[in-house]
Amino acid sequence: DAEITQSPRHKITETGRQVTLACHQTWNHNNMFWYRQDLGHGLRLIHYSYGVQDTNKGEVSDGYSVSRSNTEDLPLTLESAASSQTSVYFCASSRTSGGANEQFFGPGTRLTVL
Amino acid sequence: KQEVTQIPAALSVPEGENLVLNCSFTDSAIYNLQWFRQDPGKGLTSLLLIQSSQREQTSGRLNASLDKSSGRSTLYIAASQPGDSATYLCAVDQGGSEKLVFGKGTKLTVNP
Repeated sequence: DAEITQSPRHKITETGRQVTLACHQTWNHNNMFWYRQDLGHGLRLIHYSYGVQDTNKGEVSDGYSVSRSNTEDLPLTLESAASSQTSVYFCASSRTSGGANEQFFGPGTRLTVL
Repeated sequence: KQEVTQIPAALSVPEGENLVLNCSFTDSAIYNLQWFRQDPGKGLTSLLLIQSSQREQTSGRLNASLDKSSGRSTLYIAASQPGDSATYLCAVDQGGSEKLVFGKGTKLTVNP
């Protein structure tokens, strides 16, 4: 069955370190997204991609970067982790653009920055 | 800027009750609205997607309606069960960009 996976599921790191969160989907979807979920804020969009070599900033992109070298993967990098980036991170994908497509979510990565 | 609100933030009901969850949005120019379910410590599961041209969608005991002009959607759950306990999130796609704007969710508890 097609799925979307994230790794690691839990990560503890220190302030200032670079961290990369992996997202891999086997749906063959064009669109991929990264969100963070925080109490009091709900889910907010960090970065998104409509296809290979395409990346775009979302609402809360400062301190994060992504790259899309193939259809299946969209890794999220925290260049220099800060305590404010402690959160649960979700990756999602959808088939293509046009407004009629469900987004499918991964299980999430819980990141703690000490 | 689109804002999505879900009221109430939490709801507790006895098993078997029919219930309605509410979602409102400030900008009616949406492409679609999606309802999700999130279990504790888990990812989001898509329940229903309503396109802007539709008034409602049904899946099993779930029925979602959309009134774009008033900026509202409801999720109706019939004959609730303890297994329905979860947080329910609504999200809107504005402009067909696939970028979702989420509400903060309603935490539902169904008591046996």
